[in-house]
Parts: sequence; C-alpha cells; structure tokens
Amino acid sequence: DSGVTQTPKHLITATGQRVTLRCSPRSGDLSVYWYQQSLDQGLQFLIHYYNGEERAKGNILERFSAQQFPDLHSELNLSSLELGDSALYFCASSVGGGTSEAQYFGPGTRLLVL
Amino acid sequence: AQKVTQAQTEISVVEKEDVTLDCVYETRDTTYYLFWYKQPPSGELVFLIRRNSFDEQNEISGRYSWNFQKSTSSFNFTITASQVVDSAVYFCALSEGFFGAGSYQLTFGKGTKLSVIP
Repeated sequence: DSGVTQTPKHLITATGQRVTLRCSPRSGDLSVYWYQQSLDQGLQFLIHYYNGEERAKGNILERFSAQQFPDLHSELNLSSLELGDSALYFCASSVGGGTSEAQYFGPGTRLLVL
Repeated sequence: AQKVTQAQTEISVVEKEDVTLDCVYETRDTTYYLFWYKQPPSGELVFLIRRNSFDEQNEISGRYSWNFQKSTSSFNFTITASQVVDSAVYFCALSEGFFGAGSYQLTFGKGTKLSVIP
C-alpha cells in the first residue's frame, strides 16, 4: 500500500458525459501528478500540482482539467468524454521540492467510456 | 526531449532463471533521475528504485540488482532466481534534473512484460 488513495476504482460512463476522479496523496506529500495509461499511448504524464498550484502540463487535453485543494487532495475532471478516453488514470504523490523524489502511485481509476 | 526505450516487449523465463530487463534513455540534461516501477496483474504501480545521474554504483536489493552505465545511457534491471510472483510489467522511467517550474514528471518506457513460468 503506497498510501495514495484514488476513488472510484472503476467508472463506466457514456460518451459526452463528465466525470471526476479523486486522489488523496500520502500524508506530508505536497506534489500530486496525474498520469494516463492506455494500450496505445502507454503511461503519459498529464499534469502536476504542488501545494495547490499548477506546476506543469503534459499531454492533457483541453477537455480535461484538474485542481488541488487546500487539504492537498486533487481532482481530475474529464468532460465531453470520448471512447478514446477509456484508460487507467493514476495519480502519484511525492514530497515535492528541489529534487526528483520517488513518486508513489495510487491504485488507479479504470475509466470505461461506452 | 527525453525518451526511454525498453526494447523487450515480453520475456518469458522458467522459475529460478535469472532475467535482465533492458532500459536505454535519452536526455540532454546532465542531472537526471532514473526509476524502475513494477505493475503486477492487479494494476497498481509499485516503486522499486530511484537513481540519480551522479551515482553510477550498481545496487543490489535481495534478488534485484540494477546496473547503471552513463557511457551507454542504460539502466538495466536483473532479477536473480526469478519467482512466479515476479510476473508483472516492469517500467523504466526518467525524470530530468530541474525545470524552472520545479516539476519532475516521469517519462516512462513502454514496459516489459515478464512472465515467470513455474
């Protein structure tokens, strides 16, 4: 158990819908990273928040957005869902700071868009 | 741009055999970090090791060992006396040393699926 929690574990929805994925980092970690794992693209970085502020964006679609709240949990919002958004979404947390510490991953949310 | 290549897509070994998983990386930075993660069939990503670019010492942890060679831009992972529980997808990842915004996102390879046959 990494100490990172993600809810829900599974999500089935229809095209055009909007969903919210939630992540709680390990106690004491200030950084939250979101990644998408799909069969064709592999594991790809989406976005990074540090202590409530967006730090970097990767291959994140404009239909997707995220935020990190004062209690440091984070939410990833996916809207106007398409079939190709079906994937495993991971969040990871790290202490954050001046070096690249290990990122500890949550169990993931498996999204299926029908 | 940084890139990680895991040329071995799938490997099958018989239990108790040794197996090496290859990882080759590309980066323009002199300061960077390398990682290995394990993804068992249950799906979670488990952190195994982190190594910075200034530390080329090989590392051994139980049946696991890592060989980091800057000259060949490789960070290979060896499992000695493999066990069925080692069956998983293994990912090598790279993080560059410093960004102006202080972000250290991981660039992952495509992964190597290891099957250990009893």
